[in-house]
This record gives sequence, C-alpha cells and structure tokens, in this order.
Amino acid sequence: ETGVTQTPRHLVMGMTNKKSLKCEQHLGHNAMYWYKQSAKKPLELMFVYSLEERVENNSVPSRFSPECPNSSHLFLHLHTLQPEDSALYLCASSQDWSRLAGGYNEQFFGPGTRLTVL
Amino acid sequence: QQPVQSPQAVILREGEDAVINCSSSKALYSVHWYRQKHGEAPVFLMILLKGGEQKGHEKISASFNEKKQQSSLYLTASQLSYSGTYFCGTESNTGKLIFGQGTTLQVKP
Repeated sequence: ETGVTQTPRHLVMGMTNKKSLKCEQHLGHNAMYWYKQSAKKPLELMFVYSLEERVENNSVPSRFSPECPNSSHLFLHLHTLQPEDSALYLCASSQDWSRLAGGYNEQFFGPGTRLTVL
Repeated sequence: QQPVQSPQAVILREGEDAVINCSSSKALYSVHWYRQKHGEAPVFLMILLKGGEQKGHEKISASFNEKKQQSSLYLTASQLSYSGTYFCGTESNTGKLIFGQGTTLQVKP
C-alpha cells in the first residue's frame, strides 16, 4: 500500500449506530488530519494530530471522536449521528505540523469515506 | 472567516488562460492551493507564505499579496487535465486552516 488509505470507502448507518472510520498513511508523516466535505460547502478541517497528540479541534460535535494510536493510523469514531452529518470524510497526512505561523505543510489526502446517515 | 473565491465557475477552451482569486478578511500567514477532480481526493498544488512571492508548478503559478490579503492562481495554456475544483485554504493568526468554497474549472477541447 502506498500513500494514504481509508476504509471503508462507503458507509451507511442509522442514527443510533456506532461505527468507525479508519485511515492509514504509509508516508512516514508525523501529522494527520480529518476533514468533512459536504455538497456545496467548503472543505472543513475537523481535527489535527501531531505526533499522536490532538492539537486542533475545530468546534466539532462530541458525536465525532478521533483516535490516533500511532503516527500511521487515525480513526474517527461515530455515534448517534444526524442526517446532516452525511458527507465525504477525508483523511490527510503531512510531514509535520507546527503551532508557529505557517505551520501547515503540503497535505496528502486519502480517497475518503462516503458516509450516509439515515 | 472563510476565504472567498472568485469566480465560482469557469469554462475554458484548451489553450486559454484563467485566473482564480482568493480573498480573506483576515491577515494571512499562508495560502494553500489544492485541486480536486470529480470523485477523487484533493491534490496539493502549492503553498505561498507571506512575502508577496510568486510560485510556479508546471503552467500553474500563484501570487500572494499579503497587504491585500489576496492570492491568485494563474493557469496558462490550459489543458484538459486542468479540469476540476480548485480550493484555496488560508491560515491566519488564529492558527486555523480554512478553505474557500471552491472554483470549478472545466476545460473543453
């Protein structure tokens, strides 16, 4: 496997279900990201992990719970979602991330998980 | 504050040029440009740091005017492969990376 992979590619779940999205990067990067991409809305950065520590949480509801067990893997745990949470969820990685100005580097994106909440 | 991209959509013939603009109401540290083809993941084009520098990537280049809080992406002699949605992302002193709504570019033969 190369680059950034995401599983599953498609997921349909009910509002009472609990599911998890998985992301794996094979690039040796130290930073990983979760994005939400909805139709007709801009790309929304949800979470940033640097060296397995969560460094950004952009006002994301608690029904989304990220986990980064190591620098190569990132999960997004989902529970009691709403229909408006239906979207494409993209994972990305970059070599590093820094709190200093200009701390965001070139990001490599995975293919995404298309989530539908019924 | 979300950056504003213009135009929202543009249609070109092969070989024509296009400019996509990205404006912010905040002072910016950096501007990021990505292209996303339909059904695919976004792909990195370039990052511009404050300082008014211009960067190039094949026939795609960009400028960053820090004082005007604007960036422009220039596509010259467009090719069919340039079709897609172009996103700018801006990083301000809040430390947040926020993306614009995207500009859809269609290049026709």
